[in-house]
Amino acid sequence: GEDVEQSLFLSVREGDSSVINCTYTDSSSTYLYWYKQEPGAGLQLLTYIFSNMDMKQDQRLTVLLNKKDKHLSLRIADTQTGDSAIYFCAESISGGGGADGLTFGKGTHLIIQP
Amino acid sequence: DSGVTQTPKHLITATGQRVTLRCSPRSGDLSVYWYQQSLDQGLQFLIQYYNGEERAKGNILERFSAQQFPDLHSELNLSSLELGDSALYFCASSVEFRADTQYFGPGTRLTVL
Repeated sequence: GEDVEQSLFLSVREGDSSVINCTYTDSSSTYLYWYKQEPGAGLQLLTYIFSNMDMKQDQRLTVLLNKKDKHLSLRIADTQTGDSAIYFCAESISGGGGADGLTFGKGTHLIIQP
Repeated sequence: DSGVTQTPKHLITATGQRVTLRCSPRSGDLSVYWYQQSLDQGLQFLIQYYNGEERAKGNILERFSAQQFPDLHSELNLSSLELGDSALYFCASSVEFRADTQYFGPGTRLTVL
């Protein structure tokens, strides 16, 4: 079955880059996603990447996809205290033309040190 | 603000009871998804509706059911509640039935005592 794995915690200094990694198992995934969840809040879609892409950049966010290794990463440049949150990696469950739910990782807690 | 609304924000009830959670998708979105977030299971996909019809089922218990109405809002019904059903329940919506861009609501926190 589908499985998405992430490290539980990442601690970085303010101003440094944060790199959050994720591995997934479903090679038929069409889209891979990064969501952000702040304490007591819902899930905010940060970015997503189509499976035929290697990289996507959006302001401070860079997503890298290695399909061969089924590895996805999210790089946050110039990490700020406001970036402190849980980051979830997710893949679409069925890559075909049918309906899709998402399979989520357990989330990575990003901790910012002053 | 994602444009997806969920009510109520919090719900406290007792074991054995039945509750209904409500979700209004973003304007123009035809697809609604329900997810459960708990400490032990993480975020799990429950069920999806598209334009009033059930499209996909995930790890939804038989005690749970959902529907999508003609105005596209959706309700998740949870019955015979157990302590382990305590969780955050999220609704998400997307334009099409594919999950390429799913936007999540703020969630309903259910506490079963």
